[in-house]
Amino acid sequence: GQQVMQIPQYQHVQEGEDFTTYCNSSTTLSNIQWYKQRPGGHPVFLIQLVKSGEVKKQKRLTFQFGEAKKNSSLHITATQTTDVGTYFCAGSGGSNYKLTFGKGTLLTVNP
Amino acid sequence: DTAVSQTPKYLVTQMGNDKSIKCEQNLGHDTMYWYKQDSKKFLKIMFSYNNKELIINETVPNRFSPKSPDKAHLNLHINSLELGDSAVYFCASSHRLAGTVFDEQFFGPGTRLTVL
Repeated sequence: GQQVMQIPQYQHVQEGEDFTTYCNSSTTLSNIQWYKQRPGGHPVFLIQLVKSGEVKKQKRLTFQFGEAKKNSSLHITATQTTDVGTYFCAGSGGSNYKLTFGKGTLLTVNP
Repeated sequence: DTAVSQTPKYLVTQMGNDKSIKCEQNLGHDTMYWYKQDSKKFLKIMFSYNNKELIINETVPNRFSPKSPDKAHLNLHINSLELGDSAVYFCASSHRLAGTVFDEQFFGPGTRLTVL
């Protein structure tokens, strides 16, 4: 079945440093989504990427979808303490109507 | 207005008991889901329903029985609870089925189930 791998599992940074999490799928994806879960909270949708090679930005966050539509990344520039949380990528292969989540990257930020 | 709501927020019970978790969405979405998040934060799909029809049953023990009385509600009943069922259960909804357009998912606040 479809598998979505995400690395790193944990990342601790000093405030102001950059952060990147990577996602790889065992199969070609129809789209990839990113979610953020604050400690004690629920996953919240950030963005969806659909096109091969797509790049989208949300303020300090940059999302990329690979040319082969099998990998993706989320980059945060100049992290802030409000960025703390677990970031999940989630991919769907289309025909199985299922969103498969990566295991997430827990980001902690030292002020 | 809460988009996706779940009750209860916390559930502490003994092994062997039967319990239910309720979920409601007021977004007008066609599709609803149940996810289990274990202590390592891994989010695993359990069930999905589209217009009250079961679409995904992800090798979940048959002690778990979802019920969708209408498009806005998806409840989860668990029989004979076991220690390994302890987790946070999230309900979610999306406009359309995953893998289609408009499939971003909106999650409820979660129900933390502890089985003693």
